[in-house]
Amino acid sequence: GDSVTQMEGPVTLSEEAFLTINCTYTATGYPSLFWYVQYPGEGLQLLLKATKADDKGSNKGFEATYRKETTSFHLEKGSVQVSDSAVYFCALDAGGTSYGKLTFGQGTILTVHP
Amino acid sequence: NAGVTQTPKFQVLKTGQSMTLQCAQDMNHNSMYWYRQDPGMGLRLIYYSASEGTTDKGEVPNGYNVSRLNKREFSLRLESAAPSQTSVYFCASTSRGNYEQYFGPGTRLTVT
Repeated sequence: GDSVTQMEGPVTLSEEAFLTINCTYTATGYPSLFWYVQYPGEGLQLLLKATKADDKGSNKGFEATYRKETTSFHLEKGSVQVSDSAVYFCALDAGGTSYGKLTFGQGTILTVHP
Repeated sequence: NAGVTQTPKFQVLKTGQSMTLQCAQDMNHNSMYWYRQDPGMGLRLIYYSASEGTTDKGEVPNGYNVSRLNKREFSLRLESAAPSQTSVYFCASTSRGNYEQYFGPGTRLTVT
């Protein structure tokens, strides 16, 4: 079946450091890929998405590129802020009869210190 | 717009008790979902409703039932709660052709 694997956390960084959170996936066909973010005490919000190979999703300084050859969708940000502290989830939508049914990774806790 | 709302925010149940988690959305979305979030496991889909009048099982449906009451509301029922159902429950909705799912704030359920 479909699956998503994220790098284990938690990740702790100083403000202005570079961030990478690794995400790899297993899916048949051509899934759409997503990063969701969950701030403390809140529900998940879509951070960025990519719907086909080589697409780059970007939002709020975060980027991720859909790499079909390595089945990866790593999240990056050049300079993190304290306000980026949250839990980040990689997810896929396999499409077809599974359209709309998201498969999530286990989540990565990010803490950014001043 | 309130987006996706869930009630209650917190609940403690004893083993064997029943309860219904309520979810409503005001975005005129066709599809609605129930997930559970457990530490180290991400979110897992319990049930979903692709459109009003239809429901289907997700990855972890055992022990739950759902009702799509109308286009706005999608409830999740635990008939006989078990400690293994201690979790945070999220409702989400989306419209066909839109990849973004909108999530509610969650219900934290503890079963003792």
